[in-house]
Amino acid sequence: DTAVSQTPKYLVTQMGNDKSIKCEQNLGHDTMYWYKQDSKKFLKIMFSYNNKELIINETVPNRFSPKSPDKAHLNLHINSLELGDSAVYFCASSDQGNQPQHFGDGTRLSIL
Amino acid sequence: DQQVKQNSPSLSVQEGRISILNCDYTNSMFDYFLWYKKYPAEGPTFLISISSIKDKNEDGRFTVFLNKSAKHLSLHIVPSQPGDSAVYFCAARVYSNTGKLIFGQGTTLQVKP
Repeated sequence: DTAVSQTPKYLVTQMGNDKSIKCEQNLGHDTMYWYKQDSKKFLKIMFSYNNKELIINETVPNRFSPKSPDKAHLNLHINSLELGDSAVYFCASSDQGNQPQHFGDGTRLSIL
Repeated sequence: DQQVKQNSPSLSVQEGRISILNCDYTNSMFDYFLWYKKYPAEGPTFLISISSIKDKNEDGRFTVFLNKSAKHLSLHIVPSQPGDSAVYFCAARVYSNTGKLIFGQGTTLQVKP
């Protein structure tokens, strides 16, 4: 029983396309996060939702739009994909913003 | 401007010996620190944490030390095992109710049999 699951695991697409990454957690947590791990291996927070409300919105291009239909799901939609968007995207969840956060296995996005 | 730094990209130790992974930070508003372990093609897994009001926390083979005056923390693994070979990330929480974490860039630990 995977606690935090992301789909797809791999995503290869052309520049300019629009794509979505889905995340679901079955831990009963109310806070979910999206992180980006770039080529230098830094894990950087992008967004966080608490009970479907956006609470963290880092300096991320407007092409990235998170959507939380309910507190168990946090999806990431990316418009007009660029080469620099190539990275591994991790979803995480926690209880009321407390620690620790539990991570999914990541989605490796490759832009051709 | 990287607020959490792990200056050693890699570390190699012999099985049974001690592994010491280091982390430095610059923001005195961090109130909680965590270590995560990551295997290839998997997400980071929580390992151990420490509050800023403490200077040591121990859990089995893992001990985290915090030196607030030096803005430095370290993770000790004793004894090291081959299964400990992974990337270790240090993370710090900004004091708030958002749960925001700042991660270091990771240290790859290799434990040789």
